[in-house]
Amino acid sequence: QKEVEQDPGPLSVPEGAIVSLNCTYSNSAFQYFMWYRQYSRKGPELLMYTYSSGNKEDGRFTAQVDKSSKYISLFIRDSQPSDSATYLCAMRAGGSYIPTFGRGTSLIVHP
Amino acid sequence: ETGVTQTPRHLVMGMTNKKSLKCEQHLGHNAMYWYKQSAKKPLELMFVYNFKEQTENNSVPSRFSPECPNSSHLFLHLHTLQPEDSALYLCASSQDVGENEQFFGPGTRLTVL
Repeated sequence: QKEVEQDPGPLSVPEGAIVSLNCTYSNSAFQYFMWYRQYSRKGPELLMYTYSSGNKEDGRFTAQVDKSSKYISLFIRDSQPSDSATYLCAMRAGGSYIPTFGRGTSLIVHP
Repeated sequence: ETGVTQTPRHLVMGMTNKKSLKCEQHLGHNAMYWYKQSAKKPLELMFVYNFKEQTENNSVPSRFSPECPNSSHLFLHLHTLQPEDSALYLCASSQDVGENEQFFGPGTRLTVL
């Protein structure tokens, strides 16, 4: 079993849809959870991160962590074609500085 | 731009060649990283440098040799690579090791023939 599982997609949605991107993990020591966005021919850029369980909102983006289920989500409201990218989840344990990444989910928002 | 530059952006090399990848960060960060990104695989951390000192070598084959002459520059020297080493090589930096936000460069697309 991989430490972090993420469906590679692609996930295709119409403009304006609510998008849900998810990762599951097996390591209960993970405490920090990050979401990166990667456009084609670019490096990943951090969207947001959360510590432990709970929700965090930033504009149209909401990150959610459920440590009891070992499940994290990123919701994108009112999705735009400019949101088309690959979304990578990453996580690390509190005592480690090494993040473990998921494979990334390719999102396509069509007009 | 993220403040992290990488050269070259594309590289094609034979298995017997020797080449180097360069990374420079203009953010005043203390930690720098090399990652490998292969198709349909998770991002793999290769090396970590903190204040020019290597703090992590994630079981990387010796045909990859990193060099960090100062906190702003990072190199990855390549020799006798294999076709399966073809991938996108990403450099990243963060203020310190352990920061949740890493700033990535655009990567070098490497093809080994």
